[in-house]
Amino acid sequence: DGGITQSPKYLFRKEGQNVTLSCEQNLNHDAMYWYRQDPGQGLRLIYYSQIVNDFQKGDIAEGYSVSREKKESFPLTVTSAQKNPTAFYLCASSPQRGAVEQYFGPGTRLTVT
Amino acid sequence: GQQVMQIPQYQHVQEGEDFTTYCNSSTTLSNIQWYKQRPGGHPVFLIQLVKSGEVKKQKRLTFQFGEAKKNSSLHITATQTTDVGTYFCAGQNYGGSQGNLIFGKGTKLSVKP
Repeated sequence: DGGITQSPKYLFRKEGQNVTLSCEQNLNHDAMYWYRQDPGQGLRLIYYSQIVNDFQKGDIAEGYSVSREKKESFPLTVTSAQKNPTAFYLCASSPQRGAVEQYFGPGTRLTVT
Repeated sequence: GQQVMQIPQYQHVQEGEDFTTYCNSSTTLSNIQWYKQRPGGHPVFLIQLVKSGEVKKQKRLTFQFGEAKKNSSLHITATQTTDVGTYFCAGQNYGGSQGNLIFGKGTKLSVKP
């Protein structure tokens, strides 16, 4: 059963704590992406990666960090420096950057209090 | 930076009525993609338009790409309750951050049975 998995579906953290969101894909896709979705704001790109051990900042990278040590995995860390971390986080992948469509995971809803 | 504006933000229709959402880009696009996100779900790819003036149909859905490749529309004929969700357009640039999608804020469609 191929696809993208994100875990957990819901995550709660206290302010000041770093938290890492998981994203795994078994589609053999080269490119992976992290988006943040807020009500009425659409999807905004946080980071993207075209190949293993390489990643680039998106439009709203401040307060976030990523790694791409394996092709299948692209974890996102929300650091304490992120001023408004509460949001719905979506991971996506595509066969290569600029390919026709992006495949999205089910998302992780992060709440920081 | 480049923006993709999408209107309306919300649309409430009676089942059987038509629905249209519009996207406008501040720059000429390489292509435009459309995604649908059901309530509580994740975005799912619907279609990509590449050519100037292109029109594509999927059953009751009609997608258009403007002659100048700066605007696009999605029209749904005779809406059904299964059409409920948020429809996003996403434009792709020629240069600069080529390959990254710029998402509109989405149009949230509700259908009253």
